[in-house]
Amino acid sequence: DAKTTQPPSMDCAEGRAANLPCNHSTISGNEYVYWYRQIHSQGPQYIIHGLKNNETNEMASLIITEDRKSSTLILPHATLRDTAVYYCIVRALSSGSARQLTFGSGTQLTVLP
Amino acid sequence: DTEVTQTPKHLVMGMTNKKSLKCEQHMGHRAMYWYKQKAKKPPELMFVYSYEKLSINESVPSRFSPECPNSSLLNLHLHALQPEDSALYLCASSQGLGTVPVNTEAFFGQGTRLTVV
Repeated sequence: DAKTTQPPSMDCAEGRAANLPCNHSTISGNEYVYWYRQIHSQGPQYIIHGLKNNETNEMASLIITEDRKSSTLILPHATLRDTAVYYCIVRALSSGSARQLTFGSGTQLTVLP
Repeated sequence: DTEVTQTPKHLVMGMTNKKSLKCEQHMGHRAMYWYKQKAKKPPELMFVYSYEKLSINESVPSRFSPECPNSSLLNLHLHALQPEDSALYLCASSQGLGTVPVNTEAFFGQGTRLTVV
């Protein structure tokens, strides 16, 4: 699975959009971009994933560049409860076998009141 | 039900003790995982079970012994641990094994906070 690079920390004002970048310049054509977050002392929580098209769900939007070498997770209206470590993970899928998640260092997002 | 339940939430054990961590899911997932997480570090994979068979062991010391008695349960047996094994132990499960469409997200439990004294 391709390696990812994320800034170690970011701050965001409450109510504003939080834009979390991720570089994955060695991504392969069959690898998806996944985002998880981990609120302090809890288990990681799935947020969203995508291959090449932009994706949106009730939690966030995922913007993937056309060359797929980077992506941005957008939390449209950040709240204090969004304070967490956000992990960008690149992962290939294969049928018939389990594919584990390999976590990088992530970005500590702090939402400020 | 999209829950992965881990018990106990907290565990303190001596270096000569034997204990077990338990993990349960009822989502029909056929892949289950154990991760270890030290403070301020990302989770690190320990074991992967696929269809109740051990498919990945990330060179974990034998004092950690996983077991998957059925498709809903995953255990981690602990024996003769060291203080440096103190960590948050996370269980996860996922589908994504040859199914179409592939549901690939992993669901994590809240973890067991283990302290070895």
